[in-house]
Amino acid sequence: SAVISQKPSRDICQRGTSLTIQCQVDSQVTMMFWYRQQPGQSLTLIATANQGSEATYESGFVIDKFPISRPNLTFSTLTVSNMSPEDSSIYLCSVPAGGPYEQYFGPGTRLTVT
Amino acid sequence: KNEVEQSPQNLTAQEGEFITINCSYSVGISALHWLQQHPGGGIVSLFMLSSGKKKHGRLIATINIQEKHSSLHITASHPRDSAVYICAVSSLPRVEHNAGNMLTFGGGTRLMVKP
Repeated sequence: SAVISQKPSRDICQRGTSLTIQCQVDSQVTMMFWYRQQPGQSLTLIATANQGSEATYESGFVIDKFPISRPNLTFSTLTVSNMSPEDSSIYLCSVPAGGPYEQYFGPGTRLTVT
Repeated sequence: KNEVEQSPQNLTAQEGEFITINCSYSVGISALHWLQQHPGGGIVSLFMLSSGKKKHGRLIATINIQEKHSSLHITASHPRDSAVYICAVSSLPRVEHNAGNMLTFGGGTRLMVKP
């Protein structure tokens, strides 16, 4: 199974600032997914990040607000820009597992915006 | 209507009780997943199944494809089982994303097992 780490594990940020979340995988993967889980809500896919191409964003999410980098096959970053309290969420990255429909999840980054 | 519905939303049980969490879905799926999320936020995959039944320790997952329904059972529940249990489905591949891995999540069931 893949081991995924995320940094930071949690942070408290001021309104209007930006935070970059890192996701590191211990094996090479083509696709990485970024999810948001707002308090009391289910997970929502933000974007799919492929190495060597621009991320594909889901409806309701835009690159200016959530820029994503994917510099190599083991690493990705998600930036939450110009934060507001509504951005307070858990942000998770995930990668496909060995089977065609499985995914491994990172430990999550708990973000609180004040 | 959400594509994936879970019930109950919240569940409190006494240690040792048999627990059932239900999941219904309305889309065609490739597979159904049961995930466990602990208070820190990290998610662990418990099961992936596309038919029948799977068992791992005290956990049992079943799926009925015709009825578009799955259940997660926990036998002899323990306080350490307290977590949010999430049902997710892998929808049939979406050509535009070429990502059959993409999951649609249910709202989760928050389970608390009291000693």
